Amino acid sequence: QKEVEQDPGPLSVPEGAIVSLNCTYSNSAFQYFMWYRQYSRKGPELLMYTYSSGNKEDGRFTAQVDKSSKYISLFIRDSQPSDSATYLCAMSVGGSYIPTFGRGTSLIVHP
Amino acid sequence: DTAVSQTPKYLVTQMGNDKSIKCEQNLGHDTMYWYKQDSKKFLKIMFSYNNKELIINETVPNRFSPKSPDKAHLNLHINSLELGDSAVYFCASSGTGGSYEQYFGPGTRLTVT
Repeated sequence: QKEVEQDPGPLSVPEGAIVSLNCTYSNSAFQYFMWYRQYSRKGPELLMYTYSSGNKEDGRFTAQVDKSSKYISLFIRDSQPSDSATYLCAMSVGGSYIPTFGRGTSLIVHP
Repeated sequence: DTAVSQTPKYLVTQMGNDKSIKCEQNLGHDTMYWYKQDSKKFLKIMFSYNNKELIINETVPNRFSPKSPDKAHLNLHINSLELGDSAVYFCASSGTGGSYEQYFGPGTRLTVT
């Protein structure tokens, strides 16, 4: 079992839908949780990061962390075709700046 | 005004050759990284440099040697290339001795034939 599990998809949704992307993990020492967006043939771009459990909102994006279930989510409201990309979750233990990445979920938002 | 740049973008070479990838960042960061993304899209750390000094060296064959001439540059030299080295290599940087906010370059797609 990998430390971070993420369904590769693809996840296909119509424009305007609410998207839910998820990761599970096995290492209870993880304290920092990140979501990156990666467009095709580009480098990952940090969307959000959160510390420990709870929610964080930034525009149309909401990140949730449930440490008791070892489960993190990224919600995208009012999804747009420009949101079509691969979304990578990543997480780090406290004091380490080196994240462990999930394999990414490919999202397709069709008009 | 590119923040993290890499050259070349594509690299096709034969087994046994030696090649280098260059990375430069203009963000004023003091920590730089090399990651490898394999065909299944897993992104894994290879090296991390802080102020030109190696601070992390994951289990990577010693055919891979990073060099940091200054805080803004981190190069990756690969000797005796093998088929399994084919991947996309990303450079990244972050500030103040390391940070969860890392900025990635566009990647170098290496194909070994």
